[in-house]
Amino acid sequence: DVKVTQSSRYLVKRTGEKVFLECVQDMDHENMFWYRQDPGLGLRLIYFSYDVKMKEKGDIPEGYSVSREKKERFSLILESASTNQTSMYLCASSLTGGDGYTFGSGTRLTVV
Amino acid sequence: SQQGEEDPQALSIQEGENATMNCSYKTSINNLQWYRQNSGRGLVHLILIRSNEREKHSGRLRVTLDTSKKSSSLLITASRAADTASYFCATDANDYKLSFGAGTTVTVRA
Repeated sequence: DVKVTQSSRYLVKRTGEKVFLECVQDMDHENMFWYRQDPGLGLRLIYFSYDVKMKEKGDIPEGYSVSREKKERFSLILESASTNQTSMYLCASSLTGGDGYTFGSGTRLTVV
Repeated sequence: SQQGEEDPQALSIQEGENATMNCSYKTSINNLQWYRQNSGRGLVHLILIRSNEREKHSGRLRVTLDTSKKSSSLLITASRAADTASYFCATDANDYKLSFGAGTTVTVRA
């Protein structure tokens, strides 16, 4: 089975800190995605990548950046964490466009 | 942007009953997918239906797609306690990424 691993299940950070959320997949998937999930808002796409070193903005990229130096790893960076970035962050991957996604277990980030 | 909208927002049923939830979307799609999320966890892919398909089955799941009405439904038959979860529809508009709705929360009572 494809596995998508997110480095932390729970994270507490202070306002203004630089935060790194790591995601690794082990099945050679082309595409990787970062979503955030908030009650009543569903999943909103932050960034995605369809190839190494490629990145595309999603619907809510402000305050975030990403890095994909290797095919299996896709990192989400909060440049200067703010309280409105408190959320559940979900990483996903897919083999090609049009395929189903495999999700990680999520990272619940609290910014205080 | 959020493309899919699930209805109802929440559903409570007795074990053994069927659960039906609907999804409406706005633009043309390549395919539509349904996912399940157990409390506080990641989403699990359930089923994918392509735009040229009208119905698909997987175990106790039945999905229909009506592209003329831009809507889909997910039916879970003979529900079990383990089906208690949130269910999301997601649309693929052939641009690499999925757009998710806000989900339907299903509670199965013993």
